[in-house]
Amino acid sequence: EIVLTQSPGTLSLSPGERATLSCRASQSVSSSYLAWYQQKPGQAPRLLIYGASSRATGIPDRFSGSGSGTDFTLTISRLEPEDFAVYYCQQYGSSPPLFTFGPGTKVDIK
Amino acid sequence: QVQLVQSGAEVKKPGASVKVSCKASGYTFTGYYMHWVRQAPGQGLEWMGWINPNNGGTNYAQKFQGWATMTRDTSISTAYMELSRLRSDDTAVYYCGREGGSTQGGLDYWGQGTLVTVSS
Repeated sequence: EIVLTQSPGTLSLSPGERATLSCRASQSVSSSYLAWYQQKPGQAPRLLIYGASSRATGIPDRFSGSGSGTDFTLTISRLEPEDFAVYYCQQYGSSPPLFTFGPGTKVDIK
Repeated sequence: QVQLVQSGAEVKKPGASVKVSCKASGYTFTGYYMHWVRQAPGQGLEWMGWINPNNGGTNYAQKFQGWATMTRDTSISTAYMELSRLRSDDTAVYYCGREGGSTQGGLDYWGQGTLVTVSS
């Protein structure tokens, strides 16, 4: 079973700063099946990145994803006020459990 | 435009069952897998399983095998998730999410969520 670990648990930054979020897998993950989501309070998650580095439709280019194997990163180049939220990574594998979410990283205003 | 509209909030007693619906519009319902994800209050996301609306095939997370049942009615483009033998720790927001055709497992559209409260 693949377990995803995200760090840090909370990231306190100011608007305009760069945010770097980490997602580490307990086993190698196909980068084709690693996604990132943003979730704001009271809202459903929103797909940001799929295939480790492809932005979903309508996602601003300040969001970027990278990584392979067991280490993946979501970078927000310059935080906008609307970017303060919780971010989850997710992998979709071929063996159970097929779908796994990380525990999330909260990005809050410093 | 793609929309997933879920049924309203439910309050259930322990031991009861709940059935949540997810009505899809704006795309070909049978062309995309539908996933179910839940989120307990203040907690993270937990994947429950998916259904292939085209043939009704399902795949459940091990935790939910024999406990959750995912079905669909293609005539009304609606997916359902039924959870039986509810306990207080099943209190959560339940989401449906469409697996995108080219998003490699990413869920590109989500329902608004259905709060299920289990309380005696």
